[in-house]
Amino acid sequence: SQTIHQWPATLVQPVGSPLSLECTVEGTSNPNLYWYRQAAGRGLQLLFYSVGIGQISSEVPQNLSASRPQDRQFILSSKKLLLSDSGFYLCAWRASSTEAFFGQGTRLTVV
Amino acid sequence: GDSVTQMEGPVTLSEEAFLTINCTYTATGYPSLFWYVQYPGEGLQLLLKATKADDKGSNKGFEATYRKETTSFHLEKGSVQVSDSAVYFCALSKGTGGFKTIFGAGTRLFVKA
Repeated sequence: SQTIHQWPATLVQPVGSPLSLECTVEGTSNPNLYWYRQAAGRGLQLLFYSVGIGQISSEVPQNLSASRPQDRQFILSSKKLLLSDSGFYLCAWRASSTEAFFGQGTRLTVV
Repeated sequence: GDSVTQMEGPVTLSEEAFLTINCTYTATGYPSLFWYVQYPGEGLQLLLKATKADDKGSNKGFEATYRKETTSFHLEKGSVQVSDSAVYFCALSKGTGGFKTIFGAGTRLFVKA
């Protein structure tokens, strides 16, 4: 069966520091991968998606970037965090014709 | 562009009450529709889905029917429990454009004993 791992679960970082969140998927190949952000009390905003290695689509302009160095690995990064980057970050994957499956999320607090 | 609109919360109900959370969508083509549930501090779990018009998705006593004529996918449960307290997200997805899933803003449900 397929599983998705996302880490760390929680993170507190100072303003201006770098960020790296990692997501890996097991049990499937060539998945579509997604990064979402959920701000406090708000819905889910799609940040990036990838349909293959090295292919990244950005949905909104922001202080973040994403990379997909391997088929089942998706990384969310920032060179310098802003206070407004705080939120709950969710990684997800899906095959072409099924629903999306989510990781457990990373709660990021920028202080 | 495609979008999902769901009723604002929070919704507060007593145990065994009837639940309805409204959801409408705007999309071209024929999207699949989903309801996801998020328990505190966790990621999202798929609750139910429907892939074509008039399909009814159901799971754990929850139901939703894909109504193309009204572009709706309302979530219902006949008798809620305290353990149903969570945030519920309505969502759509199409087989194009990276198979993105578009979510509504979420509706928080509180069930009192």
